[in-house]
Amino acid sequence: KQEVTQIPAALSVPEGENLVLNCSFTDSAIYNLQWFRQDPGKGLTSLLLIQSSQREQTSGRLNASLDKSSGRSTLYIAASQPGDSATYLCAGSYTGNQFYFGTGTSLTVIP
Amino acid sequence: NAGVTQTPKFQVLKTGQSMTLQCAQDMNHEYMSWYRQDPGMGLRLIHYSVGAGITDQGEVPNGYNVSRSTTEDFPLRLLSAAPSQTSVYFCASSYSIMYSRKGYTFGSGTRLTVV
Repeated sequence: KQEVTQIPAALSVPEGENLVLNCSFTDSAIYNLQWFRQDPGKGLTSLLLIQSSQREQTSGRLNASLDKSSGRSTLYIAASQPGDSATYLCAGSYTGNQFYFGTGTSLTVIP
Repeated sequence: NAGVTQTPKFQVLKTGQSMTLQCAQDMNHEYMSWYRQDPGMGLRLIHYSVGAGITDQGEVPNGYNVSRSTTEDFPLRLLSAAPSQTSVYFCASSYSIMYSRKGYTFGSGTRLTVV
């Protein structure tokens, strides 16, 4: 079974701070790496998808990178806002028909 | 487009009852899947389908059945509900698990309580 780990489990930062969320995976043969946001009691919203041939993707204040050799992905959030408070999940797919999810990082941005 | 639609949003069942969780997508996605989300355990794959008429088991399939008669619909059946099946269930779809440029699209979830 593939393992996806997200550390820390929870993070609190003051508004305006830049921050990095980490995701690590055990198998470097990852195909896609996707970052999601989940608000309390809600479904998952896709933020960024990095395909195996790519090293990073950007959307607005978000930048996600993928380093297959080290088994790591990071999600960089610039100039954090209280509206960014949510749980952030990463998920990786391999050659099988499944995404493997981490347990998430709960982010709180303090006004 | 509506995306991925799940019904119902909430459900309470008694132990031993059966029910079907509905999932429909209007994006012509070939790949559909069901996950359950439990505190501290992340999302775990129950069943998935790579196209109409094709289904396979995921990590935690026991107690659940699926079928895929059309591209759009992928219902999840609980045969005899147990308290251990209390969870939040998510349906997700993708054009292709490996080649999609947009990855997974999730439904809003069904919160199931078995008493």
